[in-house]
Amino acid sequence: DQQVKQNSPSLSVQEGRISILNCDYTNSMFDYFLWYKKYPAEGPTFLISISSIKDKNEDGRFTVFLNKSAKHLSLHIVPSQPGDSAVYFCAASGTSGTSYGKLTFGQGTILTVHP
Amino acid sequence: NAGVTQTPKFQVLKTGQSMTLQCAQDMNHEYMSWYRQDPGMGLRLIHYSVGAGITDQGEVPNGYNVSRSTTEDFPLRLLSAAPSQTSVYFCASSYMVSTTDTQYFGPGTRLTVL
Repeated sequence: DQQVKQNSPSLSVQEGRISILNCDYTNSMFDYFLWYKKYPAEGPTFLISISSIKDKNEDGRFTVFLNKSAKHLSLHIVPSQPGDSAVYFCAASGTSGTSYGKLTFGQGTILTVHP
Repeated sequence: NAGVTQTPKFQVLKTGQSMTLQCAQDMNHEYMSWYRQDPGMGLRLIHYSVGAGITDQGEVPNGYNVSRSTTEDFPLRLLSAAPSQTSVYFCASSYMVSTTDTQYFGPGTRLTVL
């Protein structure tokens, strides 16, 4: 039972354009969401997060949008750069209950940004 | 700070062999955890620890043991390796047990069980 799903295994965009990565979740107890970025042969690194009390969080070129009613979040990268090419993982956690402090990850989306 | 370190980087085992994957952090983090990454599955939590002497099971604990005798170290033991345990293993740590506290990941150990 995949509680966090990233239905697009890969995404290819042109440098300078917008990259949009999507993520859906099923567990209503999740109220904190994160995006991690992973380069080959390295561990994931934290990128940006959002609490369920917000619907948008922005950090430079990266913006995460949360639609609680649809149980959907997305990561926008504008403008995309070749160095953004990596695997992006969506993750979710709860601030109470059995999911407190534990991360549940999606399957990942491979982003390729072409020069 | 070295951050989160993992050894070895690569390991090949035969079915039935045992081994320990090492994880250490020098950031005085209380919370440490082990994940495995498999194609199409993302990262899945194996075991975690909220402090020295305290461990608990995650989503996929079967076949793995952990202990936490010090704040710095959190080794993962495979008692009798199986081909299904072929995976990339990541250790992570955060300052405290908190949903909003950033988890820092090590570089991973790629394990193949023949």
